[in-house]
Amino acid sequence: DAGVTQSPTHLIKTRGQQVTLRCSPKSGHDTVSWYQQALGQGPQFIFQYYEEEERQRGNFPDRFSGHQFPNYSSELNVNALLLGDSALYLCASSLGTGGAHTDTQYFGPGTRLTVL
Amino acid sequence: GQQVMQIPQYQHVQEGEDFTTYCNSSTTLSNIQWYKQRPGGHPVFLIQLVKSGEVKKQKRLTFQFGEAKKNSSLHITATQTTDVGTYFCAGPLGGSYIPTFGRGTSLIVHP
Repeated sequence: DAGVTQSPTHLIKTRGQQVTLRCSPKSGHDTVSWYQQALGQGPQFIFQYYEEEERQRGNFPDRFSGHQFPNYSSELNVNALLLGDSALYLCASSLGTGGAHTDTQYFGPGTRLTVL
Repeated sequence: GQQVMQIPQYQHVQEGEDFTTYCNSSTTLSNIQWYKQRPGGHPVFLIQLVKSGEVKKQKRLTFQFGEAKKNSSLHITATQTTDVGTYFCAGPLGGSYIPTFGRGTSLIVHP
């Protein structure tokens, strides 16, 4: 049973560039959430995708955008990178309950993004 | 704003000692989740508590949800080096079902 996978593992970009991160959810899961984890902090919710639509969004600027594909995999795009975007980006999948309950988040290994 | 707070931020213990981390919310939570993140790893779900006053055990780990559903604790009995990591609590705030994570408590176990 494959867990959540993410690519790439590490990425180095320069300020102003754009980046795309990818995530494949755990088998059987239909909901993908993205989190940003800065050093020494807890994961901060960016947004969640369900049925190919953004279902909920955290307090992140429009530079952060995403997409979910029919096979439930997802991408996170960040435009106009800032130094402060350096962080571990975590993808988490869950079996959506339509918002009735808090879903258990199954996290992937993350993508370590460094912005120089 | 609404938030989930955890204390302490760091805890050093000798192997065999007990450890407790506390989680407090500014608002009542419908449920609370606990996750563990090993150094260099990713958060792994441990447990979810739903009922007021609920207590759940997983081997040496005891999780408790407060009567008012605004606080929770994780207690580890007789710590081992394998317990090293950061423990996060997370709960849905402001009517959302998305869990908001605390900053975590990093446990360092000295052999």
